[in-house]
Amino acid sequence: KNQVEQSPQSLIILEGKNCTLQCNYTVSPFSNLRWYKQDTGRGPVSLTIMTFSENTKSNGRYTATLDADTKQSSLHITASQLSDSASYICVVSNSNSGYALNFGKGTSLLVTP
Amino acid sequence: DAGVTQSPTHLIKTRGQHVTLRCSPISGHKSVSWYQQVLGQGPQFIFQYYEKEERGRGNFPDRFSARQFPNYSSELNVNALLLGDSALYLCASNPGGIYNEQFFGPGTRLTVL
Repeated sequence: KNQVEQSPQSLIILEGKNCTLQCNYTVSPFSNLRWYKQDTGRGPVSLTIMTFSENTKSNGRYTATLDADTKQSSLHITASQLSDSASYICVVSNSNSGYALNFGKGTSLLVTP
Repeated sequence: DAGVTQSPTHLIKTRGQHVTLRCSPISGHKSVSWYQQVLGQGPQFIFQYYEKEERGRGNFPDRFSARQFPNYSSELNVNALLLGDSALYLCASNPGGIYNEQFFGPGTRLTVL
């Protein structure tokens, strides 16, 4: 069964601090992995996308890593800002059925002053 | 350029009623996908349409149906609404083919009373 597990479920950090979110998956055969940011009540917005051959990808203060051997990914946020408060969702696609994305439940991040 | 648009933004229905949600993809995108996101969960895949043909269907009952029009806009229909259908319904578009980068709309919040 294709599954995507994220941890922690929720996280509270102080503004300016760094944090790392985790994603483990069992999706096979693997096509790509992406991280989305979703503000409350809004649609997800893509942050990074990585294929099998990529092990790190950055987008500003967001850096994603991928270990395809252990089927793990992380999203590191540096120098957090209040606007980073959102849900971060890990999404893995199966190369056999590219239309069916497998979503994690997300990590809810709250950045406090 | 306009992103994916959805209407209505919010909707309140009662059990047993029918609802139609609408989505307009990014200009030039030929594929539209629908997702259901229950509060606190990641999105669940419902349908994908490409060039007006259904390309994929998730594990949802027959009460859920969709179609895509010649201008690539799409409708999601849900009959005999249940309380459990209350959710954020997301539409995503992509250029089509095997390329599956999804661009999400803001969603329609459906509440069933």
